[in-house]
Amino acid sequence: DAGVIQSPRHEVTEMGQEVTLRCKPISGHNSLFWYRQTMMRGLELLIYFNNNVPIDDSGMPEDRFSAKMPNASFSTLKIQPSEPRDSAVYFCASSSPPVLNTEAFFGQGTRLTVV
Amino acid sequence: QKEVEQNSGPLSVPEGAIASLNCTYSDRGSQSFFWYRQYSGKSPELIMFIYSNGDKEDGRFTAQLNKASQYVSLLIRDSQPSDSATYLCAVRPSGAGSYQLTFGKGTKLSVIP
Repeated sequence: DAGVIQSPRHEVTEMGQEVTLRCKPISGHNSLFWYRQTMMRGLELLIYFNNNVPIDDSGMPEDRFSAKMPNASFSTLKIQPSEPRDSAVYFCASSSPPVLNTEAFFGQGTRLTVV
Repeated sequence: QKEVEQNSGPLSVPEGAIASLNCTYSDRGSQSFFWYRQYSGKSPELIMFIYSNGDKEDGRFTAQLNKASQYVSLLIRDSQPSDSATYLCAVRPSGAGSYQLTFGKGTKLSVIP
């Protein structure tokens, strides 16, 4: 299995532009998570989906952020309009149905820079 | 708010020594606990998980869990320079949030040759 695949790996955009981050989870995993990582705040959960349905989006910072999962093999995280404080590494992770030892597998991340 | 706390470090140990990384959590009903390693510029990768009180050993790594004290630790024996990374503690909470993992901010470990 190729693991969790994210694109792009790096994104540099100007303030006010729309940014779309993409994720393909591991086949067969039914939970998908979007995390944001910064030096100040660490790894923060933004939203997670179970069976393509958003379960908890309480970590989404504000209305400028939205996430979708139209099918089991694809998810997007969109920021519109982007702001410099959105600069961070965004990780997508997936996992199988949770039992005690179910781990989350992370993609390689998208490093977003908003100038 | 379910929290996971770690000392941010950096923790510096000489090569060959034991590195001890600690983590506390606020949700007493938490079910399982994970240690991830993250090299600079890379994604987190799982090292170990533990869900029963006591010790769990895997090679040079030992995870220790004390649910009464809400404390989990990771010991790295015979530390190597290649162990230099940030170590993230993650907790699977109880109840409705049990699908997700809550992460601490991580402890940066430097192993000095």
